[in-house]
Order: sequence, then structure tokens, then C-alpha cells
Amino acid sequence: SQQGEEDPQALSIQEGENATMNCSYKTSINNLQWYRQNSGRGLVHLILIRSNEREKHSGRLRVTLDTSKKSSSLLITASRAADTASYFCATDARNYGQNFVFGPGTRLSVLP
Amino acid sequence: SAVISQKPSRDICQRGTSLTIQCQVDSQVTMMFWYRQQPGQSLTLIATANQGSEATYESGFVIDKFPISRPNLTFSTLTVSNMSPEDSSIYLCSVADNEQYFGPGTRLTVT
Repeated sequence: SQQGEEDPQALSIQEGENATMNCSYKTSINNLQWYRQNSGRGLVHLILIRSNEREKHSGRLRVTLDTSKKSSSLLITASRAADTASYFCATDARNYGQNFVFGPGTRLSVLP
Repeated sequence: SAVISQKPSRDICQRGTSLTIQCQVDSQVTMMFWYRQQPGQSLTLIATANQGSEATYESGFVIDKFPISRPNLTFSTLTVSNMSPEDSSIYLCSVADNEQYFGPGTRLTVT
């Protein structure tokens, strides 16, 4: 069954605006990871947040994790046209009997 | 980190035929994962391949359709057998320590 569920499924914003994507999951996890995929190409690992962490930053990316709500968010600040891609969350629950499970993804379009 | 290569990068195949996808990792890894990504969809895990043992398949995937080999710690193959147009997808191999690393994928089109 699908562990990660993302919303929104699609998001369209103007360059310079911030983009927020959310991910919910169902079971306990070891960590949660966010990936980017450009137009059907390979996945690029963006950021990993462990179950005992609440927030992580990497450049223009900010990820939060709320294990009590079983949810995570990815914020991209000052978006650029090059950020146009699909973004996926994936939960690692290997210590809880599950392999990596990917959410359905959010298709982000950043308009110039 | 791990660098993963896949062959072929893409192929167009006729229904009823089979295609074997190769995955090569630049370091020794215990577990390798094979995923399918159908058009416009997310990734779905097909199976986990450990060296020296049979692959473990996820619900909905069977060995007869997706046989996997894992002859050593740096290499694996996934075969898509008796293909139909519904098998048209991107197939990705992956390895993981804390993070998961993906190959560039094999884009398969079945006509």
C-alpha cells in the first residue's frame, strides 16, 4: 500500500515565489527523503530527514518532519524556472518491516 | 554515495518478447532494489535483490514475469518477460545505505 501521500498533486507558481509540498505517511519510519525528477529522467536525492529531526535546510530547500502527525513538508524558496520538476517523498521504514515507499509526487511548474 | 549505471537507457520492444536490463554499481552493496515507474506515476518497488539468494518480490510482482539475477555485489539484472504494452515504463535500479541512490533508468516502450 502507498505509504507516502503528497499534496498537492500539481502546483503552478511564478518565478520568485515559494513552493510548499506536503507528504503524509502511515507507519513509523527511520527517515524520510525528498527527491526531484526532471521530465522522466533519473531521480536526484534532495534531502534526508531522520525521524528524530524536525527541520533541515539545504540551500533554498527547507524540510520539516512532524512524526506525531506523520507528515513532512518541502519548501522551495525563491523558486526558479529550473525547479520545474516532479518532487517525491519516500519513507524508509526498514527497521519497521517496510522498504522504501514513494508517494505519488507533486508536479511543480515554475513559470518565468 | 554510489554511482549506478543502467543498460540499455531506452528500448522499444515488440509484445511477447523479453528485455534484460543491467545495473552496475561502482561499489559493493548488499541489497539492490528494482523499481517501476509507469508514465506519469510514482515509483513502485518490484523486488529487492540480495547477492546469493533469491529476490524478494513485492505484492503484484512475480518471478516468472520479472526474473532477477544478482551474481555479485556490484551487478544485477532485471528481465521483463513476455512483454505487453502495459509494461511500458521506466525501470530503475537502486542501492541504499542511509540514502537511496538511483540509476538513470531504462525507458521501455512496448508496441
